[in-house]
Amino acid sequence: KAGVTQTPRYLIKTRGQQVTLSCSPISGHRSVSWYQQTPGQGLQFLFEYFSETQRNKGNFPGRFSGRQFSNSRSEMNVSTLELGDSALYLCASSPGAGGRNEQFFGPGTRLTVL
Amino acid sequence: GDSVTQMEGPVTLSEEAFLTINCTYTATGYPSLFWYVQYPGEGLQLLLKATKADDKGSNKGFEATYRKETTSFHLEKGSVQVSDSAVYFCALTNDYKLSFGAGTTVTVRA
Repeated sequence: KAGVTQTPRYLIKTRGQQVTLSCSPISGHRSVSWYQQTPGQGLQFLFEYFSETQRNKGNFPGRFSGRQFSNSRSEMNVSTLELGDSALYLCASSPGAGGRNEQFFGPGTRLTVL
Repeated sequence: GDSVTQMEGPVTLSEEAFLTINCTYTATGYPSLFWYVQYPGEGLQLLLKATKADDKGSNKGFEATYRKETTSFHLEKGSVQVSDSAVYFCALTNDYKLSFGAGTTVTVRA
């Protein structure tokens, strides 16, 4: 089985712009979660989608949003980018909802905001 | 809320040395516990897991035992190799999300 894929792998944007990141889960997995990784804050949960519904959201401002499509692919969007949004964004998929299911991570998208 | 505390790094070892990374947690109920590893430029890979007290997770020579009485899940490996150089994250889940420790950078020298 192919693993979790994320596109693009690297992205450079300027402050005020918006960005969309994409995640394709492992075939058959219906849950997708997103995490932000920064040197200062570490790994933080952004949101979880299951069957096209956002089930849970972390403590991030409304500029961070996402969605999931019927084929389980997910996108996350960040509007009005700030310098502090520079991070590695990781997507994880799992067969079922909830954190107790094993989560498989993609390689991440490295976002740099200038 | 739930939280994980890992020993601070970086940790530098010689090949064939013994590795221990301490991890303690604070959580309500009975969380599942995990160790993830991140190699340079890559995402996270699950190294091992334990879902209930006294469970021992093991993989690739690494082991960790779920100790509820001490709320700990320390990672150990008896003889490290250069290829074990990576960042190691302890994590727990009680519900829908993983809560991670800060990560410990391990460098193994030949």
